[in-house]
Amino acid sequence: DTAVSQTPKYLVTQMGNDKSIKCEQNLGHDTMYWYKQDSKKFLKIMFSYNNKELIINETVPNRFSPKSPDKAHLNLHINSLELGDSAVYFCASSLATDTQYFGPGTRLTVL
Amino acid sequence: KQEVTQIPAALSVPEGENLVLNCSFTDSAIYNLQWFRQDPGKGLTSLLLIQSSQREQTSGRLNASLDKSSGRSTLYIAASQPGDSATYLCAAHFGNEKLTFGTGTRLTIIP
Repeated sequence: DTAVSQTPKYLVTQMGNDKSIKCEQNLGHDTMYWYKQDSKKFLKIMFSYNNKELIINETVPNRFSPKSPDKAHLNLHINSLELGDSAVYFCASSLATDTQYFGPGTRLTVL
Repeated sequence: KQEVTQIPAALSVPEGENLVLNCSFTDSAIYNLQWFRQDPGKGLTSLLLIQSSQREQTSGRLNASLDKSSGRSTLYIAASQPGDSATYLCAAHFGNEKLTFGTGTRLTIIP
C-alpha cells in the first residue's frame, strides 16, 4: 500500500541513451511533481502537473519530457542522457497546495 | 528572488537534549511552509505543514513555528533520540504552485 512509488530505484546507463522513470500515486491527489536532487543534496522542482495538465516547467532542458497519462501517473522521459543528468530524481504528489508526499527516489547514474 | 536558507548545515547534539532547527525565507508573502526529514538514501518524509495563517504546529515531540514578518520558521525537537538523526529540510510555498527548498540541516544525535 505504498503511497507514491517510483520505478526503477536505480538506473545506470551510458551517455546518449534514452531512459524513462515511472511514478504512480494511490492517494487520490490531483497534483504531481518531479524534483531533482543533485550531488550537494539540493532539491529543485522540475515539473508539476495538475489534473494531467502541465502547470510548472522550470528551466529544464527539453531533453526531459514529462508525461501524465492520468491523474495517478507522472512519468519522466529523458533523451540523449548527459553526465550532468546524474542525480536522484524524486516524484511527489499533493492535493492542491497541501502537504507533498514523496516517492523513494530513482538514483540515475550516467557513465 | 524567493529563497529559503537553513543554517547550520550540520548539527550534533547529545541524546536527550532539546534542539531547534532554523529556516529563513526571503518573501513574507508565504502561502505555507513544510518541514521534511530525509534519511540517507531515502525519500522525504513530511513532518509538519504550517499554513500562513498559523503560528505553530505540533506533532508528538516536534513543534514548528512560523513568523512571516521576520521570515523565519523553527523546528523544535524535544528530548532528542538517536533515531532523530537525519537531514531536515524546510520548504516554502510562495503561492506560485511550487515548493522552494532550503539546503537542509544534517542532524546527528550522539548516544
